[in-house]
Parts: sequence; structure tokens; C-alpha cells
Amino acid sequence: DTGVSQDPRHKITKRGQNVTFRCDPISEHNRLYWYRQTLGQGPEFLTYFQNEAQLEKSRLLSDRFSAERPKGSFSTLEIQRTEQGDSAMYLCASSSGTGAETQYFGPGTRLLVL
Amino acid sequence: QKEVEQNSGPLSVPEGAIASLNCTYSDRGSQSFFWYRQYSGKSPELIMFIYSNGDKEDGRFTAQLNKASQYVSLLIRDSQPSDSATYLCAVNGGTYKYIFGTGTRLKVLA
Repeated sequence: DTGVSQDPRHKITKRGQNVTFRCDPISEHNRLYWYRQTLGQGPEFLTYFQNEAQLEKSRLLSDRFSAERPKGSFSTLEIQRTEQGDSAMYLCASSSGTGAETQYFGPGTRLLVL
Repeated sequence: QKEVEQNSGPLSVPEGAIASLNCTYSDRGSQSFFWYRQYSGKSPELIMFIYSNGDKEDGRFTAQLNKASQYVSLLIRDSQPSDSATYLCAVNGGTYKYIFGTGTRLKVLA
């Protein structure tokens, strides 16, 4: 499978716990994005990497959230001290950085905070 | 004013009919426009993109763009029950950032 992959696909945690999600982009893509989607809404931009550099973070990304892409390949998104409002689908997408800048999404990680 | 607006629906069409999905955007500098399909509980799947005024056809799908009116639409010909999903419009301003609409839920009735 040469698409974007994400792990885990589902995560249930208790409020206050830390969680970490992983995204593996399409191998030749140098741009990687994280989005959050709640029910009835479109994906909301969280952060963006070009290679290993994190170039933008949304104001939606509080200081409890941190993302890394240490070697410009896979990325991790960590949420510390989870809150019930963090329950959502976390989507990763990647793009090649050329042409129409088409983003391809992974299957997402569905987070439920109890 | 939302940056990308879509009617949430549901839009119900009979099987075999043409479904017309619409999207308006506020940023006149927007350059690329994308349609994604999203089944319930799944991630968005790219259908097609368009960046020039006019029509772009791909199989049963046609995207239409009118930059003067800041309007982009998606037509689905010969709609099938399997087309029932939420259709997301996304707009790119020439940078890395997509702005998504809230999506239109389409129901194709057998």
C-alpha cells in the first residue's frame, strides 16, 4: 500500500492522559499536514511540515498539542492532558509540493476521550 | 462570513439523475479548488481538482469553476446509491493551506 497510513485507527483514553498518533506519508511527498475533524464539520487545519520543518501551526493547536517530523518522513502528533473536547478524527495528509498541490488523506485516527 | 460555504443538505436525488453540488468561497485570490468524497466514518477521498475557469470532466464527474462569481460546483451524472456520501469542497490560496467547507450530504435514492 503506497498511500498515507495512520496508526492507531482508533484510540479511547481517559481525560488527562497523553496520546500519540503516527502518520506515514506517501514516500515521495515532502509536505505533511494534520487536520482535525468533528462531526458535521469539514477538516480543520492544525499544522504543516515541509520536510522536517514545521512551518505553521493553527491557533487551534493549543500548547497541549505538539507535532514532529524528525527526519522528514513520518510524523507524530501528541496531545497531552487530553480533554473531552479533543474527541475528534485526526487526519493526516501529504502532498508532493508541486502542481495543484493535491493533498491525499490517510484513514484517520478516531480519538474518544472519556 | 465563512471562507468556504456549502449547503449541508441532505440533497436527495433519484438513481440515474444528475446531482449538482455547489460551493462558494470568499478569497478572490484562491487558485485551486478540490472536491473530496467522504463516506461516514471514513477519511476524505479526492474526486477531482480544478484551477481554470470552465468545466473539467472525469468520468461521471464534472467540476465547474467561475472565479468571477467565486463559485465552484460538482455535477455527478447517472447518480448511483454508492455515490451517497458527504462531498467536501476545499479551496487552496496558492499556499499549503486548504480551507474546507462543512460538506454537502448527498443521498441517492434507489
